[in-house]
Amino acid sequence: DAKTTQPTSMDCAEGRAANLPCNHSTISGNEYVYWYRQIHSQGPQYIIHGLKNNETNEMASLIITEDRKSSTLILPHATLRDTAVYYCIVRVAIRTDKLIFGTGTRLQVFP
Amino acid sequence: DAGVTQSPTHLIKTRGQQVTLRCSPKSGHDTVSWYQQALGQGPQFIFQYYEEEERQRGNFPDRFSGHQFPNYSSELNVNALLLGDSALYLCASSWRGRGSTYEQYFGPGTRLTVT
Repeated sequence: DAKTTQPTSMDCAEGRAANLPCNHSTISGNEYVYWYRQIHSQGPQYIIHGLKNNETNEMASLIITEDRKSSTLILPHATLRDTAVYYCIVRVAIRTDKLIFGTGTRLQVFP
Repeated sequence: DAGVTQSPTHLIKTRGQQVTLRCSPKSGHDTVSWYQQALGQGPQFIFQYYEEEERQRGNFPDRFSGHQFPNYSSELNVNALLLGDSALYLCASSWRGRGSTYEQYFGPGTRLTVT
């Protein structure tokens, strides 16, 4: 079973920040938080991952709470192309462990 | 740099038949994982291959088998197809070398329909 809980769906206006929450209250000390997204009928795309510090890359920012029980993926300026299902996954990153996907959050960006 | 490629794109088979799906990993990657994604669900892990051996397996019956070749490409075989095997089959590759953070890169998938 997935170790994360995410809202089923969210809406966001184009150009605004999209903040996608994820709860992972049973996360272990050596587990990372990974985010993937899946645009309709395509394979999942890696976005970002982190352990306990906030992370930023060219796609998004990841904010992890101090107790590591939840996190937020931030798309700073959402575009229509960001419409997708977003998956939050926890896993140990020191080996190539399998990814356990939940049902994710369906983000709809509207004009 | 080519990403993960899969073939064929679409496939239609009849119940009881056998099917082989193929995957070429991203350049420089040595590990291949296979996932099954039913409509409206998240991908489910089938198994993972590294150094031509199955290293991990999800909760799938023995009808699902695989192979990895010396060039790191991989095949997924499904025997005695059932209607419930209709799904998008995804291949993901990663690299196990020193310093890797093990992100998995996914291919576009093969859509299998069993009639």
